[in-house]
Order: sequence, then structure tokens, then C-alpha cells
Amino acid sequence: DAKTTQPTSMDCAEGRAANLPCNHSTISGNEYVYWYRQIHSQGPQYIIHGLKNNETNEMASLIITEDRKSSTLILPHATLRDTAVYYCIVRGSGNTGKLIFGQGTTLQVKP
Amino acid sequence: GAVVSQHPSRVICKSGTSVKIECRSLDFQATTMFWYRQFPKQSLMLMATSNEGSKATYEQGVEKDKFLINHASLTLSTLTVTSAHPEDSSFYICSARDVLGEKLFFGSGTQLSVL
Repeated sequence: DAKTTQPTSMDCAEGRAANLPCNHSTISGNEYVYWYRQIHSQGPQYIIHGLKNNETNEMASLIITEDRKSSTLILPHATLRDTAVYYCIVRGSGNTGKLIFGQGTTLQVKP
Repeated sequence: GAVVSQHPSRVICKSGTSVKIECRSLDFQATTMFWYRQFPKQSLMLMATSNEGSKATYEQGVEKDKFLINHASLTLSTLTVTSAHPEDSSFYICSARDVLGEKLFFGSGTQLSVL
């Protein structure tokens, strides 16, 4: 599975949009981009995933560039409860389904 | 979304004893479950893939005789840490793949402390 690169940490003001970037320049055609987050001392929570089209759900939006080499997770109105470590993961459709976690981005939402 | 229940949430044991952690998919059948461990301030590390009715597949460097995995039904996988030592103290997290295979849902984790 392709490797991802994320900033180590980011800050965001409460109520503003949080834009979390992810670089996956070696992604191949059948690999999906997944986003999970982990709030301290809890299991990871699924946020969203996509292949090539932009995706939106009740939690967030996922914007994937046309060449698929990078993506951005957007939390439209960040709250203090969105403070967490956000993981961008690339996974092929043909593997066992396992997810390999990188170091992620620690997002701190500030009042 | 689908619910994965993990039990216990926290366990303290003496060195040399064995500890069993259960992972259940409550509202879906999971032919495949995964076990991770996480040390403080580090990311999740995949330990093994658990397949219902067959032997688990362990990641490189994970001792299969120390971390026994059983996946006897479509809704239950167990991880047994045998002869636990203080260095096994960690946060253990299970996950299960949904029917479509597109998403993994995670349990809330088990904090193991070995004295």
C-alpha cells in the first residue's frame, strides 16, 4: 500500500474550517484514501474514504486532487471535540482490508 | 455505523499471568478482524489479522506463541497475551471489517498494565 505524508500537528480555531492535507504521491489506481481519527485513549473512528471523486458525509468532506497524489480532509466547522489525531491511510481494494497507520496529524482546536 | 465491542477496557495483571481480551462485532458478521497495539504517543501498530475458522496471520516481529488469537465465530475474536511481562503493557485495539469490506470499525481499546 502507498505511503502517506501528513503534517505532524495543526491548530484550528473553533468554528472555523479545518483543512488537513495528506500527500500520497505513490498511490496506484486501485487504492483508496481513508481518513480515521483517534481521540485520546479511544479506538480510531472512521471518517470518510474515497477513490477519485470528492466525497462528503455528515462528518467531513474529502477532496482528492485530479492526479490523486494528494488529498485534503475538511471539517467544515471545527469544535473542541474534534481535537484528535487524524490519520490518512491508503489501502488497496485487493488486500485483506488491513489498515496500516502512519503518524497522523494532531489537530488542536482552540477556543 | 457498525459497533465493535471490546472487553475489558482496562486490566492490570501480575507478571507471568495470561490475559484474554475479547472483541465482538455487535450488529454485523466479521469474517476478518484485526488486532493492533499502541504505545504512548505512538501510532497504531498492526499485530495480526484474524480470520474466522482459520489461523491468524501475524505481522513480522509479532510472536504468535505469545499473542494467541482465536476467531471461532463470525462475531468474536479473542487475543490472549500469554505469560505477560511489563513490556507487554500497552493499549490493545481490535477492529472488524464490514460486510462490503470497505471500512474497518474499531473497538474502544484495552489498556493492559503488567506489574
